[in-house]
Amino acid sequence: DAGVIQSPRHEVTEMGQEVTLRCKPISGHDYLFWYRQTMMRGLELLIYFNNNVPIDDSGMPEDRFSAKMPNASFSTLKIQPSEPRDSAVYFCASSLATRQAYEQYFGPGTRLTVT
Amino acid sequence: GQNIDQPTEMTATEGAIVQINCTYQTSGFNGLFWYQQHAGEAPTFLSYNVLDGLEEKGRFSSFLSRSKGYSYLLLKELQMKDSASYLCAAMDSNYQLIWGAGTKLIIKP
Repeated sequence: DAGVIQSPRHEVTEMGQEVTLRCKPISGHDYLFWYRQTMMRGLELLIYFNNNVPIDDSGMPEDRFSAKMPNASFSTLKIQPSEPRDSAVYFCASSLATRQAYEQYFGPGTRLTVT
Repeated sequence: GQNIDQPTEMTATEGAIVQINCTYQTSGFNGLFWYQQHAGEAPTFLSYNVLDGLEEKGRFSSFLSRSKGYSYLLLKELQMKDSASYLCAAMDSNYQLIWGAGTKLIIKP
């Protein structure tokens, strides 16, 4: 398996622009997570899906952030409008919930810079 | 509230042993994870403990005490490539991971 795939790997945009981050989870995994990581706040869970349904979005900073999972193999995280404080590395992770394994597999991340 | 505490930074010598501690407070408990994250890369899974005791996996071992809300990651025969951040994460009753801020491990020759 190719692992979790994210695109783009790097994104530089100006304040006020819309940003869309993409994720393809590992085939067969039923959970998908979006995280944000900064030096100041560490790894923060933004939202997660189970079988394509959003379960908990309490970590989404504000209405400027939205996430969708239209099918089992694709998810997007959108920021509109973007602000400099959104600059961070955004990780997507997926997992297969079994009794023995809730291990999350992370994608390589998208490094977002908002100027 | 839910909380994970681990040291911010540790330094150790190549070839030595280092123990990274983690204490947790969660609403319910469904296991304790350790992840390794090299600079500029994604976290990768190291270990999962749900029962008390020590789990050994090569040079790395992880220990859990549920009654004390305590875990540690033990790294033996340290190599330069072990320089990384080590993230402790506890799974709560909703099967959500509560993440620590990570411990940056610096290995000196």
